[in-house]
Order: sequence, then C-alpha cells, then structure tokens
Amino acid sequence: EPEVTQTPSHQVTQMGQEVILRCVPISNHLYFYWYRQILGQKVEFLVSFYNNEISEKSEIFDDQFSVERPDGSNFTLKIRSTKLEDSAMYFCAGSGQGNTEQYFGPGTRLTVT
Amino acid sequence: KNEVEQSPQNLTAQEGEFITINCSYSVGISALHWLQQHPGGGIVSLFMLSSGKKKHGRLIATINIQEKHSSLHITASHPRDSAVYICAVSFNGNQFYFGTGTSLTVIP
Repeated sequence: EPEVTQTPSHQVTQMGQEVILRCVPISNHLYFYWYRQILGQKVEFLVSFYNNEISEKSEIFDDQFSVERPDGSNFTLKIRSTKLEDSAMYFCAGSGQGNTEQYFGPGTRLTVT
Repeated sequence: KNEVEQSPQNLTAQEGEFITINCSYSVGISALHWLQQHPGGGIVSLFMLSSGKKKHGRLIATINIQEKHSSLHITASHPRDSAVYICAVSFNGNQFYFGTGTSLTVIP
C-alpha cells in the first residue's frame, strides 16, 4: 500500500537557522497539507497546497514559512529563521481530491535549541 | 473561527465495552474527519463525513449537520484501540480545525 514518507524523522537545529522538512506524498495525490503539533497540544493546520500554489494558510503560517513542490514529487516546508516555539512535530498529508480522506506521513520532530 | 470541542478528554474502558466519543463544532462545515493518533505519534484517518453515517469494521461514525455534532463509536473495544481520537472539521476543504483529542485506554 502506498504511503506518505517524511524526512528527516528528527531534526535538531539552533534558533535562527533555516530548516527544510521534506515529504513525499502518494504519487496520485493532488492536495497537500502541512500540520504541526506542539508537544502535549492539539494538531494545528498550517497550509494547504493545490495546483502548485497555496490554497489556504493559517495565522501560524507567517512570512517565516514557505512551501513548494519543486519537482512534482517532494513537498517541502521551509522555516527561514527558526524560533524556540517552532519546536513541534510536523505532519505532511495528502489527498486525491479536496475534502476527502487524507493520508498522513509519520511526522518530523523539530527541536529548536 | 470554528471551535471544535471533544468529549470526553480521557476515557478508560474495559475490553469489550461500547465506546462513544463526541465532537461538536460551532459553524457550518463541509466535512468532518475522525483521526486516530497512535502512542508513537502517527496519525491515521478513520473517516471523512459530510452527512449520515459510515461504518468500518468495529468503528461507526455519525454526523448530525443540523446539530453540528458527530460521534465516533467503537464496538467490542480492544486494547489495541487505545489511542488518541481526534475530530477535525473543514468548511471549505482547504482549512482545518482540530479538536484537542480524546485519549482512550482500553484495559484487558
């Protein structure tokens, strides 16, 4: 069964550094999402992406964040200058159509020190 | 802004018990998702509902659009059902609001 993969599984970075989190969605999926979950808190929506552009973004997704799908397979989330409060688990998800079942990746744990 | 509330926050059940987890939301939605988060952190989609009822194995999900309420039922619960169950809603298919989750522990 196809699955969503994310790399790395754990990233440790210093405050102020740039990080890129990578996701490889299921190949025939068209809608892509990033979520984050701060330890002990609920999952939060960051951004949705369709047809090579952002469909919707939350208040969390400020100018420090960006997404792209450079080669039609990888879907990346970049944080330009990390802050301590960016420490969280970041999940990528995809779906074949909008408003249908989403398939989640295993997550990347980001630790900002 | 759509608020999503789940109850109970924590639930402990004996193996075999029938379990109900509730989700309420504050504004009209286009879809509601039930997700399962395993102790290791991985998230699995269980159901996506826009109306009515869906069943998959021992899991049943219902939604009442007029009352802005959904329930997830687990029949004949088993220790492997122990996980956090999360309700998430979308009103346009692109932005999602999540509940805080219900932590379920099923004791053998």
